[in-house]
Amino acid sequence: DAMVIQNPRYQVTQFGKPVTLSCSQTLNHNVMYWYQQKSSQAPKLLFHYYDKDFNNEADTPDNFQSRRPNTSFCFLDIRSPGLGDAAMYLCATSREGTNTEAFFGQGTRLTVV
Amino acid sequence: GENVEQHPSTLSVQEGDSAVIKCTYSDSASNYFPWYKQELGKGPQLIIDIRSNVGEKKDQRIAVTLNKTAKHFSLHITETQPEDSAVYFCAARVMAGTAPIFGKGTTLSVSS
Repeated sequence: DAMVIQNPRYQVTQFGKPVTLSCSQTLNHNVMYWYQQKSSQAPKLLFHYYDKDFNNEADTPDNFQSRRPNTSFCFLDIRSPGLGDAAMYLCATSREGTNTEAFFGQGTRLTVV
Repeated sequence: GENVEQHPSTLSVQEGDSAVIKCTYSDSASNYFPWYKQELGKGPQLIIDIRSNVGEKKDQRIAVTLNKTAKHFSLHITETQPEDSAVYFCAARVMAGTAPIFGKGTTLSVSS
């Protein structure tokens, strides 16, 4: 059974048109992460939530924002997508504790046209 | 911050051979080291992990070793099979609740 669910799996958006990607989890984990992964590259952390505390990576563009209305859901908002934002976006969760693993969703493949 | 280097970037082996992927990390405070397998179009899946108080861990054909002094850790896959073909990422975490920092990945190809 899927534990970290990302919707949609594939998203096509127009240049400059706001888009939202969603992630839900059934694990009741208190930490949620968003990664950006471009072709043949490692996942790059954009930001993460530790409970309700938002932690933004220093080099994450202002164009990227996130919302976490409750424990189960987290959203990635791209305000004005550019061609360079085309990538796989991965959501992951983990539980507070010592050295607990991160569970990843299947990802959303974003295409910007 | 943490920096993880991974080698090689590509690895081709014959079915039945062993494969070894090596990673180094920079932050001596890192204490958890997971390995992920990513198949095309899918998210990374954890295949094995090791904590800093352990030197070696094995799970069937997969093993991981950790050398804290040298700050490097390795993934060993024995008796490789075509279904082992994928991209493998090592990662390091400094503490609980922080995000794993990934190496650049190794594309493993197992030919039959």
